[in-house]
Amino acid sequence: DGGITQSPKYLFRKEGQNVTLSCEQNLNHDAMYWYRQDPGQGLRLIYYSQIVNDFQKGDIAEGYSVSREKKESFPLTVTSAQKNPTAFYLCASSNRDHNQPQHFGDGTRLSIL
Amino acid sequence: GIQVEQSPPDLILQEGANSTLRCNFSDSVNNLQWFHQNPWGQLINLFYIPSGTKQNGRLSATTVATERYSLLYISSSQTTDSGVYFCRALQGAQKLVFGQGTRLTINP
Repeated sequence: DGGITQSPKYLFRKEGQNVTLSCEQNLNHDAMYWYRQDPGQGLRLIYYSQIVNDFQKGDIAEGYSVSREKKESFPLTVTSAQKNPTAFYLCASSNRDHNQPQHFGDGTRLSIL
Repeated sequence: GIQVEQSPPDLILQEGANSTLRCNFSDSVNNLQWFHQNPWGQLINLFYIPSGTKQNGRLSATTVATERYSLLYISSSQTTDSGVYFCRALQGAQKLVFGQGTRLTINP
């Protein structure tokens, strides 16, 4: 079945530690996205990529980094510079660009130890 | 930038009731999408509807782009319809904005 797989489902971070969230899709989509959701809030865009080896900052990119070495993979690293990382992180993909329907993974919940 | 506002923020209904959720946007948009986030956090696509009306079973959506709003209708609500409903707008080619959501609770 085609879809978007995020792992792990739950992740705990110690102070000063970088952690990487995985996002893999087998939909052959060109564009991939990372969103952050805080409790009771909507989604905010962290980074997006519309083509391999290229990515753009979203509205809240500070303290995060991404890579897009393969079409199917778009990992997100939450660095120690992100002082408030506790949130629900959602990865999405769409065919070609923003002007297409987005499909979401099941999310990763990140908490501080 | 574009503002996307959803109303009402919370809605509590009995099973079997009908509901209308609204999404207003402050500027013209190229597309609009509705999602349902279930209690486990999964976001499910409902409609991709830049304009016009679409129906899928008990759900339907209408976007009037010239008047800058979209409506999501849920008929004969079921408890499994509970969750948060989000609309997401695309302004221009790059600006993606989500509304804050409508939390729907369907009581048996």
